[in-house]
This record gives sequence, C-alpha cells and structure tokens, in this order.
Amino acid sequence: QSALTQPASVSGSPGQSITISCTGTTSDVGGYKYVSWYQQHPGKAPQLMIYDVTNRPSGVSGRFSGSKSGNTASLTISGLQAEDEADYYCSSFTTISTVVFGGGTKLTVL
Amino acid sequence: EVQLVESGGGLRQPGMSLRLSCAASGFTFDQYAMHWVRQGPGKGLQWVSGISWNSGSITYADSVEGRFTIFRDNAKNSLYLQMNSLRAEDTAFYYCVKDKNLLQLGALDIWGQGTMVTVSS
Repeated sequence: QSALTQPASVSGSPGQSITISCTGTTSDVGGYKYVSWYQQHPGKAPQLMIYDVTNRPSGVSGRFSGSKSGNTASLTISGLQAEDEADYYCSSFTTISTVVFGGGTKLTVL
Repeated sequence: EVQLVESGGGLRQPGMSLRLSCAASGFTFDQYAMHWVRQGPGKGLQWVSGISWNSGSITYADSVEGRFTIFRDNAKNSLYLQMNSLRAEDTAFYYCVKDKNLLQLGALDIWGQGTMVTVSS
C-alpha cells in the first residue's frame, strides 16, 4: 500500500492555470476510474473536489477539472484565485479494495 | 444538514485501547459505505479502514490490520473504530468519512471535523 506520488509543492499567479499530478500503478490509479481529489485548508477537514477521475460534486467550481492517462491522474485549476491556496490530495481505489492517498501538494498562489 | 460527528478521542498509553464513534445525520446512513481516515500532526492524509453499506465488505490499511476493527450500526446511524494495541504512530486526528457509493470505492464526499487521538507514555 505505497502512497501515490504527488509533487510536494506547486505555485501560480492569480488567473493562471496549474496542474497537480498523481502517479500510481496499474494496481490503483491505472486500473480503476475511482480517483478523487481533495482540498484542505489549514485547520479544516478536507473537501472533495473531483471524484471518479473527472466528476465534480455539486457546488465545486468549474475551474477545477480532473483527468487521467495511464497510471497518472491530474488535477487542473484554471483561473487561479487566492482562495485556492491550500493542500491538495489525490486518492485511488486499489485492487485489494483499499484506498490509498497521495502525499499531498501545497499550492501557493503568488 | 448532512453531518458526521466524531467522539471518543483522547490520550492513551502505548498498548492500550480506545473506541471512536461517529454519529451520522441528514442522509440515509445505510445506503453508503463509510471510512476512517487519519492525519498525523503536520502530516498528510492516511486511509485507515472502510466498510460497505451492509458490513459485507471491510478493509484495513496494513498499518492497522489486526489491531483496529471497524463496524457500524445502521439502526443507530453510527460508525465505530475499535483501536487496540495502540502505538505512538497512531497519534493523529481521526476523521469519519462518508463514501458516495454503497461499496468503499473511495469517493469521500462528507467529512466530520475529526477527533484527536494521542498515544504517549
């Protein structure tokens, strides 16, 4: 149950777009459509931003989008805003019916 | 309002036990899988355990297998985590989390505010 691989940090200026990658294996990210992304602000519980690779829950801004190619999933945030500064985590269902998270990515809005 | 409220956290010495509870409200509890996810101080999220809607499927992270037990009481809209043989590395905020699915596929759409577990001598 190795953690999925995410960059430790990314940054962008307001209005720009950024992409956070999440790399796993054929036993998790590459094998299933069950990849999710979470946003966590300091001192707060995480919030689901994307599920099943590309789906956005009701209430989540259309600036957030997800995709997957092979064993790597990606979260793209377009039109960066100051409020997007947070930690982002990916997760995936696995072949042994567990869930594995990525190590997290700190997004800084310059 | 959809809500998950955890309780039962606290300070325990290594080797001792603790039971966490989670009270669910605002949704049909027995139609969704549930999970426990933890986050150590200053660390990332770690999935701990998941249970399907009818308790027919239960899975654990390797780090807690054999020590922790997840169970649910659909009649009481409640989820539990029995934690035995606690270790210092179990110190974390523990979140009760709802899945969007009947099975624990990992689309975690509702999170509680968490309860802190500290394991220290």
